Formats: sequence, structure tokens, C-alpha cells
Amino acid sequence: DTGVSQDPRHKITKRGQNVTFRCDPISEHNRLYWYRQTLGQGPEFLTYFQNEAQLEKSRLLSDRFSAERPKGSFSTLEIQRTEQGDSAMYLCASSSTGPYGYTFGSGTRLTVV
Amino acid sequence: QQPVQSPQAVILREGEDAVINCSSSKALYSVHWYRQKHGEAPVFLMILLKGGEQKGHEKISASFNEKKQQSSLYLTASQLSYSGTYFCGGPQTGANNLFFGTGTRLTVIP
Repeated sequence: DTGVSQDPRHKITKRGQNVTFRCDPISEHNRLYWYRQTLGQGPEFLTYFQNEAQLEKSRLLSDRFSAERPKGSFSTLEIQRTEQGDSAMYLCASSSTGPYGYTFGSGTRLTVV
Repeated sequence: QQPVQSPQAVILREGEDAVINCSSSKALYSVHWYRQKHGEAPVFLMILLKGGEQKGHEKISASFNEKKQQSSLYLTASQLSYSGTYFCGGPQTGANNLFFGTGTRLTVIP
């Protein structure tokens, strides 16, 4: 297995544009998480899927953010009408059900100009 | 509210020991520890499931005091490869997702 893959690695977009990121988890993992990380901070939880069901979503998450995981495989995170404050590293992680550690992808660095 | 880690940063010489503390104001049901090197993704180190549990991973070990909602990571005889930012994380109030701590930046110098 090649681990957790994220695409693209970098994205520069103009304020107001929509962007979509993709995450391919480890195939045996049924749990998938999205986190956001800014410089010098710990990862901040955004949302979590178990198989195709979105089970938890941060209350801090604006309505401009939406995530899907069709068929319980890859996941997409979309940000609509991007703002400069959305600039961050977006990390995807996956794990098996139960008390297991997360495997993180290398992330997508978003810069909103 | 995220767990608080201390110290925020520490510099060690090779071979020295360090302790990183993680404290939560909310109940911790388990504790994860991760290391993140600059520009890379966090890498899982270990998970502690029960209060009082201690685990070891080569020269890196950890303990978990469930009653005090605290965990500590012990790094002994540090190596240059230990440099990075260490994060603790734990699920809160039955949630399945982790809330990560504030981070501790560890630098090991020759």
C-alpha cells in the first residue's frame, strides 16, 4: 500500500474561487479524517467519515466547506468562495475502526491570494 | 478546547533526555502521540488506552494518567532524528476524532 495520497500538493487560488481537494486513504481503512493546519499550530479537526457516512463535523466549519466520501473510498473536500483566512495546509488521515493511530497524507497547501 | 502541551519548545544536545507534557481540561479517553518534521505530515508514535498505561518505543516512551487527564512523552538519549514538533491528541466526550494539542518543538543539536 502506498499510504494516504492527497492531490494536489499545492493550490494557489484567487479569493472568491472554489477549490476541491482529493484524498485517497489506505484501502483497508474505513475511517477518514480531514484536518486543517496553519503554521505553528496543531492540526484542527474539520470532519470525519466512517465508510461513506459523514459522522462528525466541526462546529467551527463554515457552510462554505463540504466534504464527501462516495462509496467509502476516496474523499473530496470543497471550499466555496475562498477567503484569505482559508490559506492553510489541509491534511487527510485514515485509520481502521478501533483504537489505532492515524496515517496522514502529505497534505494540500492552499494559498488564497 | 485543545490539550495544552509544555514546554512549547526545547533544545537538547544529542544524548540528553526530555519530557513533554500534555494536559487536557476535558476527559481524555485515550492519548495519541505524533511527531511532525518540518514540511512533512505528522507520523504516529504511539497510543495509550488506559489510565496508568505506559508504553515504550525504542528510546521514546509515554505514560497516561487518566484521572489527571495528563500524558507525558519521555525521550531518552536523544538523537538528531528526534527533532520535530510533537503533538498529543485525544478523543473527547466519546468523539472518534482527535483534538490535537498545542505542540512542542524539539530541536536536537550535535
